[in-house]
Amino acid sequence: ETGVTQTPRHLVMGMTNKKSLKCEQHLGHNAMYWYKQSAKKPLELMFVYNFKEQTENNSVPSRFSPECPNSSHLFLHLHTLQPEDSALYLCASSHPLAGGPGGEQFFGPGTRLTVL
Amino acid sequence: AQSVTQPDIHITVSEGASLELRCNYSYGATPYLFWYVQSPGQGLQLLLKYFSGDTLVQGIKGFEAEFKRSQSSFNLRKPSVHWSDAAEYFCAVGAPTGNTDKLIFGTGTRLQVFP
Repeated sequence: ETGVTQTPRHLVMGMTNKKSLKCEQHLGHNAMYWYKQSAKKPLELMFVYNFKEQTENNSVPSRFSPECPNSSHLFLHLHTLQPEDSALYLCASSHPLAGGPGGEQFFGPGTRLTVL
Repeated sequence: AQSVTQPDIHITVSEGASLELRCNYSYGATPYLFWYVQSPGQGLQLLLKYFSGDTLVQGIKGFEAEFKRSQSSFNLRKPSVHWSDAAEYFCAVGAPTGNTDKLIFGTGTRLQVFP
């Protein structure tokens, strides 16, 4: 596998379910990101991890719980979601340049989440 | 605060025609600018990036973009569009804070190509 992979690609869940999204990057990057992409809205940055440490939580509701056990893996645990949480969830990774901006972010194909 | 504006939500061109997608940004320092493309059901793929140096940057798939500081713009161009270019295009500005890298995205421009 190369690049950034995400599983599952599609997920349908009820509001009382608990599920997890998985992201894996094979690029040797140190930073990983979760984004939410909803129709007609800009990509929303949710979480940022740098060297496994969470460096950004963009006021995301607690029903979304990220986990980054190592620099290659990122999870998003979901529980008691709402229908408005239905969206495409994108994972990305990058290798930050020391003392400057990050390099470009490499994106996975996304997980299409539908909450019933 | 940093922001990116893509004024055109939807653009339609004929195959073989030239293309320009507009992007304006607001950022206090020297911006780091990106264009990404997203095909249906796919993630985002980087087309090109500007960090410094030559203000005209070349990317993949025959795309180029020009950074114009005086206009706060980073418009994407292609001289001859192919049907396979139909997709959504996102402009983004890099906003590093400490050790964290953030990208601020525009709302995207959907490109439709007619044969």
